[in-house]
Amino acid sequence: KNEVEQSPQNLTAQEGEFITINCSYSVGISALHWLQQHPGGGIVSLFMLSSGKKKHGRLIATINIQEKHSSLHITASHPRDSAVYICAPHNFGNEKLTFGTGTRLTIIP
Amino acid sequence: EPEVTQTPSHQVTQMGQEVILRCVPISNHLYFYWYRQILGQKVEFLVSFYNNEISEKSEIFDDQFSVERPDGSNFTLKIRSTKLEDSAMYFCASSDLAVEQFFGPGTRLTVL
Repeated sequence: KNEVEQSPQNLTAQEGEFITINCSYSVGISALHWLQQHPGGGIVSLFMLSSGKKKHGRLIATINIQEKHSSLHITASHPRDSAVYICAPHNFGNEKLTFGTGTRLTIIP
Repeated sequence: EPEVTQTPSHQVTQMGQEVILRCVPISNHLYFYWYRQILGQKVEFLVSFYNNEISEKSEIFDDQFSVERPDGSNFTLKIRSTKLEDSAMYFCASSDLAVEQFFGPGTRLTVL
């Protein structure tokens, strides 16, 4: 069973700040998703990565497979980035995602 | 852009009733999933479906649950006799090569 931990659980920052959310997991994986969940509940896939780094707009995701750790960074944060960010590793040998508990991000104007 | 859709957005039912939650996955996808999220808790895997059969299911997915792909487009989750603890947000997802998964907007199920 893959134990997934995210930190911090809650993060409040001022608009424009650089944000980092961390995710660690206990079992080797084939890939990891970063997902965004808005207050209405819908889930949006931000990234899927299996090595290195990916960038999409102001979002950057990195993963270190050996250390079983991934980070999500947001540059020039904006109030519309306020949401819950969830990491979800994808284990070798099966198809399901194992979800972290999420990081609730609030950006204050 | 193709997207996963789910209906209804909110379902209210009495305990003991059967409910069917519907999903239309992205059209060329081959793998289908149901997840659920009880209020205030993390998202949990229920079941995955490939090639017209269940490929994996969790301990939550007991005999009260079933899935079906009745035609070429719909993917349904049936709960035979709902319990209060089935109240949750249910998400459908699909993927093409069992890698990146795309999620629907969810169905909020309330069991009274």
